[in-house]
Amino acid sequence: GENVEQHPSTLSVQEGDSAVIKCTYSDSASNYFPWYKQELGKRPQLIIDIRSNVGEKKDQRIAVTLNKTAKHFSLHITETQPEDSAVYFCAASKQPGGYNKLIFGAGTRLAVHP
Amino acid sequence: DGGITQSPKYLFRKEGQNVTLSCEQNLNHDAMYWYRQDPGQGLRLIYYSQIVNDFQKGDIAEGYSVSREKKESFPLTVTSAQKNPTAFYLCASTSTGIFNSPLHFGNGTRLTVT
Repeated sequence: GENVEQHPSTLSVQEGDSAVIKCTYSDSASNYFPWYKQELGKRPQLIIDIRSNVGEKKDQRIAVTLNKTAKHFSLHITETQPEDSAVYFCAASKQPGGYNKLIFGAGTRLAVHP
Repeated sequence: DGGITQSPKYLFRKEGQNVTLSCEQNLNHDAMYWYRQDPGQGLRLIYYSQIVNDFQKGDIAEGYSVSREKKESFPLTVTSAQKNPTAFYLCASTSTGIFNSPLHFGNGTRLTVT
């Protein structure tokens, strides 16, 4: 079955620096890759997602890149701010499985220091 | 805010007791899900339901049971057969068009069994 590995498990950056979180997946048929942000004591929330027919997607300070050949995808956060501090989860799934086949990575705890 | 309500936020039980976690949504979503979150691990799917009166096992269903008698409600029972029940439990929902909406999560229930 699908396996998603996420690195690093913890990441500490200074405010204003960039942060990159990487995930690899095992099933080449996976074609949907969302990223969730979970602040301390709160629910996970979708921050960005990408489908396999796209190599990169941006939303303000957040971008996701996908390399289908290498089977990895990455989250890039530029100009980090203290409110970016949270746990970030990547995930992968394949149609027509949808969300019931969504496999999550173990998470990355990002700390942004002022 | 409207969405998914999980109750209670914290739950304590003695070993050997069954316990039921509540999940209610007012998003008119057809599909609902239960995930378990453990430290250092990603979210793992316990059960999911795509329509009333129907549900399917996820990756770690052993020791759990669910029901889906109403569209709005998807309670999870943690039975005494679950060997390691202490965890953070998240309920989620989506519309049934596979990628019509992201997973909407509740705020979670932290269960401690001693």
